Amino acid sequence: QVQVVQSGAEVKKPGASVRVSCKTSGYTFVSYDIHWVRQAAGQGLEWMGWVNPNSGTTGYAQKFQGRVSMTRNTAISTAYMELSGLKSDDSAMYYCVRAFGGYGGNWGQGTLVTVSS
Amino acid sequence: SFVLTQAPSVSVAPGQTARITCGGDNIGSQSVHWYQQKPGQAPILVVYTDDIRPSGIPERLSGSNSGNTATLTIDRVEAGDEADYYCQVWDSSSDQWVFGGGTKLAVL
Repeated sequence: QVQVVQSGAEVKKPGASVRVSCKTSGYTFVSYDIHWVRQAAGQGLEWMGWVNPNSGTTGYAQKFQGRVSMTRNTAISTAYMELSGLKSDDSAMYYCVRAFGGYGGNWGQGTLVTVSS
Repeated sequence: SFVLTQAPSVSVAPGQTARITCGGDNIGSQSVHWYQQKPGQAPILVVYTDDIRPSGIPERLSGSNSGNTATLTIDRVEAGDEADYYCQVWDSSSDQWVFGGGTKLAVL
């Protein structure tokens, strides 16, 4: 069965970077885009961007342009999201999502990122 | 970019019908997708492309989309339906996903 498993919680200081991994199994990794969505505590869902695992092509929300990088390693069916210049309002749960075209079919369990001095 | 508007909360008694709406300019021309998120859990897809249920989603949940409003309908509401529900579209003009603000369904 399809599994989407993310790396564990992170605590970072302001200005630092964080990299979240998203390991997939149970399907052909290169056949489906991976999107990243975040959710601050008590807030709604915020789309961050996507990566095409086959070509490595990416697309980012304007809000995160210049601060986010989405990559993948096809050999281990894993996608990565790196966010730099962390601020306190980047504290959130980060989700990776296996996409079926315009929507998210399988969500990871989430990775809690806390930014605190 | 495209804006989706949802009411913050909807309340319904068990056994009744809940209707959760998602408003957007001519949203009927877009494909709308719905997610359910229970406290402490990741969202799950409950309806995609306006009215299609993934396998395992009860028939009590259904979707529709026309004009400026998409609707997720939950018939015979149960306590286990209490959750936040989000609508989402792919905005082709900006090539990005757009989410509504979410609606909290309370079962009285």
